[in-house]
Amino acid sequence: DTGVSQDPRHKITKRGQNVTFRCDPISEHNRLYWYRQTLGQGPEFLTYFQNEAQLEKSRLLSDRFSAERPKGSFSTLEIQRTEQGDSAMYLCASSLFLRVYNEQFFGPGTRLTVL
Amino acid sequence: ELKVEQNPLFLSMQEGKNYTIYCNYSTTSDRLYWYRQDPGKSLESLFVLLSNGAVKQEGRLMASLDTKARLSTLHITAAVHDLSATYFCAVNDMRFGAGTRLTVKP
Repeated sequence: DTGVSQDPRHKITKRGQNVTFRCDPISEHNRLYWYRQTLGQGPEFLTYFQNEAQLEKSRLLSDRFSAERPKGSFSTLEIQRTEQGDSAMYLCASSLFLRVYNEQFFGPGTRLTVL
Repeated sequence: ELKVEQNPLFLSMQEGKNYTIYCNYSTTSDRLYWYRQDPGKSLESLFVLLSNGAVKQEGRLMASLDTKARLSTLHITAAVHDLSATYFCAVNDMRFGAGTRLTVKP
């Protein structure tokens, strides 16, 4: 399978614990995005990378959230001291950014439940 | 701050009927995307619209873009049950609307 993959697919944790999610993009894609989606809502942008550089972070991304893409390939999203409000689907997408074209391909998501 | 508004948010339609979903956005954009999401699944890209007046068609779906009006439409022709899903528009690559949940009934 050459699509975007995410791991784990489901994560249940207790409030206050730290969690880390991984995203493996399509291999030739230079951009990688993280989104959060809650039930009945559209994806909310969190952050994105071009190669290994983190170019933008949403105001939604509190100090408890951090993302990395150390070698411009896979990325990790860590949430520290989880809260119940963090329960959501976390989506990763990748794209081959061209100046006028930037179609994103989404992974299956990681569903986080904070108890 | 960029706002992306879709309407309607919920749409129930009979098979064989036509309908249009609207996506309005609040600032200039040179790229607009439409995605489909089935329940419990991730998003699938449907259309990429890159210029004013752009029109793309795939099967029973047709998308158009009017950058001057800051409006995109997704038109459904002769709906079938398989089109039941949630449809999102996205502007400036990363700003999504709330989605239109479409149910097509026999």
